[in-house]
Amino acid sequence: QQPVQSPQAVILREGEDAVINCSSSKALYSVHWYRQKHGEAPVFLMILLKGGEQKGHDKISASFNEKKQQSSLYLTASQLSYSGTYFCGTEALNRKLIWGLGTSLAVNP
Amino acid sequence: EAGVAQSPRYKIIEKRQSVAFWCNPISGHATLYWYQQILGQGPKLLIQFQNNGVVDDSQLPKDRFSAERLKGVDSTLKIQPAKLEDSAVYLCASSLGTSGSHEQYFGPGTRLTVT
Repeated sequence: QQPVQSPQAVILREGEDAVINCSSSKALYSVHWYRQKHGEAPVFLMILLKGGEQKGHDKISASFNEKKQQSSLYLTASQLSYSGTYFCGTEALNRKLIWGLGTSLAVNP
Repeated sequence: EAGVAQSPRYKIIEKRQSVAFWCNPISGHATLYWYQQILGQGPKLLIQFQNNGVVDDSQLPKDRFSAERLKGVDSTLKIQPAKLEDSAVYLCASSLGTSGSHEQYFGPGTRLTVT
């Protein structure tokens, strides 16, 4: 089952904060977060693993609630470069990664 | 470190024609993925290789799509014959391993337009 991302779209002014959520109906092994700018390939942001381990960029913050099968990506003090579409990918216990539909983020000056 | 290479970057073909895409993963990455990304959607996995063996091809339309990864390095994805609904960006990605603890590195993609 495809994870559900919310909100579908966000518009921010530079310096504002945003939270993007990702939820699954299945027990999860890991959650992946990627950002894709228009016309470009997705770029890795973070992996959150069952048990608490995290891998990713220092400037990116995220959480993973294993009991609720939910993850949140926190974007603080947004910059123009944060604009793009954010995808979460959820890996259930069958070890298949399934991607959400994405959250479009626009940061304006 | 060189990234994932893909070619061609753009391709326009007529329906019922055939097309092939090529991908060269990051050196040392055992796992290679082919994704189809339709405009406004997330990537959809078509096939996953571990070295030169297929791990998952459950969403590959096998009546028209085929893929191979000879010698466990570069890979080709072929569509024959193409349909209008195959218009999409085809992304290749690679990672060190198959587990969820490994990030995927994506190539620039091939934008396919079927007319």
